[in-house]
Amino acid sequence: DQQVKQNSPSLSVQEGRISILNCDYTNSMFDYFLWYKKYPAEGPTFLISISSIKDKNEDGRFTVFLNKSAKHLSLHIVPSQPGDSAVYFCAASVNYGQGNLIFGKGTKLSVKP
Amino acid sequence: SQTIHQWPATLVQPVGSPLSLECTVEGTSNPNLYWYRQAAGRGLQLLFYSVGIGQISSEVPQNLSASRPQDRQFILSSKKLLLSDSGFYLCAWGAGHTDTQYFGPGTRLTVL
Repeated sequence: DQQVKQNSPSLSVQEGRISILNCDYTNSMFDYFLWYKKYPAEGPTFLISISSIKDKNEDGRFTVFLNKSAKHLSLHIVPSQPGDSAVYFCAASVNYGQGNLIFGKGTKLSVKP
Repeated sequence: SQTIHQWPATLVQPVGSPLSLECTVEGTSNPNLYWYRQAAGRGLQLLFYSVGIGQISSEVPQNLSASRPQDRQFILSSKKLLLSDSGFYLCAWGAGHTDTQYFGPGTRLTVL
């Protein structure tokens, strides 16, 4: 039973446009959410996080939005760049990041020049 | 469908004791296998990956080793644990380096 779901296995976006990656979760105990970015042949790297006391967190071109009532979060990348092409993992945890990380299966983002 | 198992789920070990974490994959053949560690407040760190039986690549030199005795079995070991080995260990598999990696449930290791 997938507690963290990324229902889109892939996404293709034009350079300069907005990329929106979505993530849904089922466990209402999750209170900390993370996005990881993974290039081929490398381990995932941490991108941005948000705790359940917030509904938005921004870091440069990356913004994560959290809708607790819908159990949904999204990652926005504006503007998208070809170097953003990678697999993006959503992850969730309890105890504000101290619990085990539960990962989604990832969404492969392709940003076309 | 493919599934990935890790055990144990949690482990508390004294400093200097040995370690063996096991990961197995079902439903696929010749997967690429990965060990990651998530230390508190930090991102995932790739420790080892394997593209086949007996083939292990180490990403970060440290107090750990990995072995792949069977196609779908990946073992993380240590002869003597350090306090700094505490963390959350994730095994993952993928059909290729460019494909999505699927993570196991993880093992929370606390070294005291």
